[in-house]
Amino acid sequence: GQNIDQPTEMTATEGAIVQINCTYQTSGFNGLFWYQQHAGEAPTFLSYNVLDGLEEKGRFSSFLSRSKGYSYLLLKELQMKDSASYLCAVSDSNYQLIWGAGTKLIIKP
Amino acid sequence: NAGVTQTPKFQVLKTGQSMTLQCAQDMNHEYMSWYRQDPGMGLRLIHYSVGAGITDQGEVPNGYNVSRSTTEDFPLRLLSAAPSQTSVYFCASRHLTSGTELNTGELFFGEGSRLTVL
Repeated sequence: GQNIDQPTEMTATEGAIVQINCTYQTSGFNGLFWYQQHAGEAPTFLSYNVLDGLEEKGRFSSFLSRSKGYSYLLLKELQMKDSASYLCAVSDSNYQLIWGAGTKLIIKP
Repeated sequence: NAGVTQTPKFQVLKTGQSMTLQCAQDMNHEYMSWYRQDPGMGLRLIHYSVGAGITDQGEVPNGYNVSRSTTEDFPLRLLSAAPSQTSVYFCASRHLTSGTELNTGELFFGEGSRLTVL
């Protein structure tokens, strides 16, 4: 079966760095996405990785290792507005997205 | 551009009632989809469409119907509402992608529709 695993909840301090991990087992792979979802709102796109390595975009970076079925989202210089759920999703062989349950990130002052 | 517009934002139904969730996008996206989001679970695909006149089932299609008569609109119909259909529903669209790094296939979501079935 297809499976995406990520931690349910994480807590970090304002100004710090946090890494949110995602492991996946899917039928085929056409890229991995990270989305941010604030409570009561729609998910919004953060990043896309289809090749191994690190993609940096401002305070956010995303890493992919296809051989290990593993990705992480790295958030630097955390701000209170980063409190949200972070969703990992993999595009499978049919280009359909398989979604993880999301990681709720709590930022403390 | 309005993006993806969903209505209504909130709805309360009684068991057995029917209703339609509306979704429209103005980005000329070929692909449109409906998801439901429940606590502790990932987004689950209900139905999707890759173009006008073409629809297909996702992971959890039972109890729902869709149609795609135009590129812009993709309504979701609940035929006979059940308490198990209490959820937050999201419509999402994107361009069809070959999956190359030049085209991320980013999904654009509507604001969501919170449905309660009593």
